[in-house]
Amino acid sequence: DVKVTQSSRYLVKRTGEKVFLECVQDMDHENMFWYRQDPGLGLRLIYFSYDVKMKEKGDIPEGYSVSREKKERFSLILESASTNQTSMYLCASHWGGGATNEKLFFGSGTQLSVL
Amino acid sequence: QKEVEQDPGPLSVPEGAIVSLNCTYSNSAFQYFMWYRQYSRKGPELLMYTYSSGNKEDGRFTAQVDKSSKYISLFIRDSQPSDSATYLCAMSKWTDKLIFGTGTRLQVFP
Repeated sequence: DVKVTQSSRYLVKRTGEKVFLECVQDMDHENMFWYRQDPGLGLRLIYFSYDVKMKEKGDIPEGYSVSREKKERFSLILESASTNQTSMYLCASHWGGGATNEKLFFGSGTQLSVL
Repeated sequence: QKEVEQDPGPLSVPEGAIVSLNCTYSNSAFQYFMWYRQYSRKGPELLMYTYSSGNKEDGRFTAQVDKSSKYISLFIRDSQPSDSATYLCAMSKWTDKLIFGTGTRLQVFP
């Protein structure tokens, strides 16, 4: 089974801090995604990557950046954390063939609180 | 108007009941329809996947797509307490990103 591992389950940071959320997948998937999940808003796509060193903006990229230096690892960076970035962050991967709408594998999420 | 609308619930049913979960959508170009299940403190996992219109059955779960009405449903027969979770509908066009519903929280009590 595909495993998508997010480095932290819970994270508490202060306003203005630089925050790194790490995600690693173990199935050689091409595509990786970062979502945030908020009550009443569902899952919203922040950034995605179809290949190493490639990145594409999703629907809500403002205040975030990403890094994909290796195929298995996709990092989400909050350059200067703000309270409105308090959320559940979910990483997902996809094998890359066929349609990108096929099965996504999600990590367990990182609940980030910015105080 | 959101592209995908889903009643957030919560929906509370007794064990053994038939559950109906629904989503409506506005974009007629959507061709791929999915249901994800998300347990508390976990990431979503794919439950059902349907292309275009029609029904798909997998055990106690049946997914229906009615493209003419822009309406999709997930039916759960003989519901169990272990089915208690949030159910997210998702849909997309070819090679396009998934659009998720907000999720319906289901609780099945013994």
